[in-house]
Amino acid sequence: DAKTTQPNSMESNEEEPVHLPCNHSTISGTDYIHWYRQLPSQGPEYVIHGLTSNVNNRMASLAIAEDRKSSTLILHRATLRDAAVYYCILREGLKTSYDKVIFGPGTSLSVIP
Amino acid sequence: DSGVTQTPKHLITATGQRVTLRCSPRSGDLSVYWYQQSLDQGLQFLIQYYNGEERAKGNILERFSAQQFPDLHSELNLSSLELGDSALYFCASSNNLQGAGGYTFGSGTRLTVV
Repeated sequence: DAKTTQPNSMESNEEEPVHLPCNHSTISGTDYIHWYRQLPSQGPEYVIHGLTSNVNNRMASLAIAEDRKSSTLILHRATLRDAAVYYCILREGLKTSYDKVIFGPGTSLSVIP
Repeated sequence: DSGVTQTPKHLITATGQRVTLRCSPRSGDLSVYWYQQSLDQGLQFLIQYYNGEERAKGNILERFSAQQFPDLHSELNLSSLELGDSALYFCASSNNLQGAGGYTFGSGTRLTVV
């Protein structure tokens, strides 16, 4: 089962910021928080990841709660091309060859022109 | 182009048949993962290989098998195909097993069983 919970769907107006929440209350100290997005008929695409501190890259920002039990993906200005399913997953940080990562249903983001 | 190559892109076959899906990981990536995505199931983890050896297994059916070859490419074999096996099959690769690295997905193989 997925270790994260996300809202099934969200809507945003074009050019407005979007905050996509994710709960991961059972996160362990070595789990990294990853976000991916999947456009229709395409493979998932890496967006951003973090461990404890907030992270920024050209695609988005990731805000991680102090207790790490939740995080928020922030798209600063939504465009129509950001309409996709967004997945929040946890990835084990220990060096091991076992790497089973479960994707939940994600959040389907609609962007309204 | 993500660097992960999956072939073929589309495959139509009849029930009872056997097919092989191929995945070439991104250069330097040792881990390969297979996922199945059908309309009502989301992304289902099937299996993970690391440097030629099976490392993690999901809800992969006994009719399905996979392997990773010395050149690190991987094949997913699906046999005794049923209508319900119709889905998108994605391969992903990763260059390390620690959390501080992302997965790179291919564009998938769309399998239609008729």
